[in-house]
Amino acid sequence: DAKTTQPNSMESNEEEPVHLPCNHSTISGTDYIHWYRQLPSQGPEYVIHGLTSNVNNRMASLAIAEDRKSSTLILHRATLRDAAVYYCILRDGTYKYIFGTGTRLKVLA
Amino acid sequence: DSGVTQTPKHLITATGQRVTLRCSPRSGDLSVYWYQQSLDQGLQFLIQYYNGEERAKGNILERFSAQQFPDLHSELNLSSLELGDSALYFCASSDGTSLYTQYFGPGTRLTVL
Repeated sequence: DAKTTQPNSMESNEEEPVHLPCNHSTISGTDYIHWYRQLPSQGPEYVIHGLTSNVNNRMASLAIAEDRKSSTLILHRATLRDAAVYYCILRDGTYKYIFGTGTRLKVLA
Repeated sequence: DSGVTQTPKHLITATGQRVTLRCSPRSGDLSVYWYQQSLDQGLQFLIQYYNGEERAKGNILERFSAQQFPDLHSELNLSSLELGDSALYFCASSDGTSLYTQYFGPGTRLTVL
């Protein structure tokens, strides 16, 4: 299974943009890049996914490097409710997610 | 609210015992996934069912088993429990066609004493 590498933790000020990086140098051509987040005492929550092109939705943006060996989740204006563990996951055709350790995002008021 | 329900919320039991965790997927979802989250192992994929049949297996112990019933709800059975089985157990569901998004339930916290 392809692996992802993320920083253990990051901090951001409220209402500022946050860029959460993820390295996935062993990604294969058919692996989708997924991001989930887990708020305290809750199950993981889908954020966004992409294959090759950058993606936007109401929660975040996903910027994918041209060689696909890295990606960045962008929260445009962090709020206190965005404090969570963010997981970058590669998904192949085997249906299962392999979660890494994720990045714990702390948002400062 | 993801639409996935799990019961019970909390479970406390003793070593050597057997427990059953229950999951109801979102309406219309055919796939159910089980995950274990412990402090030292993080989120680990256990097993997936699609429309009643096992589709993928992860790091599931032989003492653990699961099934998906005709009404699509699923049960995870944990037997001969050990202290190390204490963890949060999450169920997730997906429609099985998009293959993209899994919706997670709130989890069952199992404590083995």
